[in-house]
Amino acid sequence: AQTVTQSQPEMSVQEAETVTLSCTYDTSENNYYLFWYKQPPSRQMILVIRQEAYKQQNATENRFSVNFQKAAKSFSLKISDSQLGDTAMYFCAFIWNYGQNFVFGPGTRLSVLP
Amino acid sequence: GAGVSQSPSNKVTEKGKDVELRCDPISGHTALYWYRQSLGQGLEFLIYFQGNSAPDKSGLPSDRFSAERTGGSVSTLTIQRTQQEDSAVYLCASSAESWTVSAEAFFGQGTRLTVV
Repeated sequence: AQTVTQSQPEMSVQEAETVTLSCTYDTSENNYYLFWYKQPPSRQMILVIRQEAYKQQNATENRFSVNFQKAAKSFSLKISDSQLGDTAMYFCAFIWNYGQNFVFGPGTRLSVLP
Repeated sequence: GAGVSQSPSNKVTEKGKDVELRCDPISGHTALYWYRQSLGQGLEFLIYFQGNSAPDKSGLPSDRFSAERTGGSVSTLTIQRTQQEDSAVYLCASSAESWTVSAEAFFGQGTRLTVV
């Protein structure tokens, strides 16, 4: 079975500082995609960043970057220059090649403090 | 539409009543997913539709839950004889092509169901 674990239920960071959210997953597949989704209080799930497993280069989107360690099955999200608008639940997720549904982790609640 | 649309946004129902939740995916998206999210928790997979294939119903928690997708577009999730433990946010998502794993899931804003 494919599983996703997020070991940090809650985190906080001061505005303008950097924070890293951790995610580990378990799969026997070799080809898959990993995602980080953000869910602010509005409930709308928003894609933050995506990583293809066959790419060694870590994905980057503006202030968001990942540290993808395929052998360790680790996929952490780094948020630089944290902003108040980054306050949200963050979900790590993955879908495996020819798979059928996205598997989500339990989420990390991030609070950015002024 | 431009995004995934779910209705109603909020639904309060009495225990024992049936409810229907609607999801209108992004036009052209072949894959449609339903997830349930209890307060402050993660996403629990319920059911998945892919084109004309038989749906994957492996996540439905009981036979009180059912879903259909008409014409490969709009989907309705039905909960019969609602119970208080059914109270949650029900999220719908669609993606362009599930077998092409580059596709991301686009989510609606969810329906918050409260069973009183």
